[in-house]
Amino acid sequence: NAGVTQTPKFRILKIGQSMTLQCAQDMNHNYMYWYRQDPGMGLKLIYYSVGAGITDKGEVPNGYNVSRSTTEDFPLRLELAAPSQTSVYFCATLRGEGGLTLYGYTFGSGTRLTVV
Amino acid sequence: EDKVVQSPLSLVVHEGDTVTLNCSYEVTNFRSLLWYKQEKKAPTFLFMLTSSGIEKKSGRLSSILDKKELFSILNITATQTGDSAVYLCAVANLNNNDMRFGAGTRLTVKP
Repeated sequence: NAGVTQTPKFRILKIGQSMTLQCAQDMNHNYMYWYRQDPGMGLKLIYYSVGAGITDKGEVPNGYNVSRSTTEDFPLRLELAAPSQTSVYFCATLRGEGGLTLYGYTFGSGTRLTVV
Repeated sequence: EDKVVQSPLSLVVHEGDTVTLNCSYEVTNFRSLLWYKQEKKAPTFLFMLTSSGIEKKSGRLSSILDKKELFSILNITATQTGDSAVYLCAVANLNNNDMRFGAGTRLTVKP
């Protein structure tokens, strides 16, 4: 019963490097989200997807890109990493209209990224 | 601009105390308000509130929403050290089910 799996759990990047944060879910949830959480702050939405092939920007999308080619996977791409992208990144899923009512989001365990 | 404000930002109490955490919001197309508990890793779902005045209860935790005043509270009675965590309030809108989070309240319960 994997739920939402994020990889890697930790990563250190140098300024200007690129990387992809992976998010995979096995619950057949339509909605997927990427959030970042800075120390002492709440979560801020980066990008979201309401289904395969459909993505849209959230509150803080600059410096990131996403794709959703399958229901299961929602990778987050960082191009030209900057120190301001040092954060903990959470992927979350939602089953659908009824999912929010009953369960709220299901979160992955997070990826801690440091850019130096 | 949508915003969610939680207070206090941090709180230290002793076991057995009762605490009240506050969440106020300004969100267009309000759908629901959710409370999460975050310990070391991912937030875990506590409650979802959509209607004013209806208390949701789970053990020692309870929550209520006032849609007129745009406000919610989370109560924890007879606190235990295991209640120590960051409590996050989030508001979902009708458009796309995404949520706007508050900064959280860090609760520390001392033995």
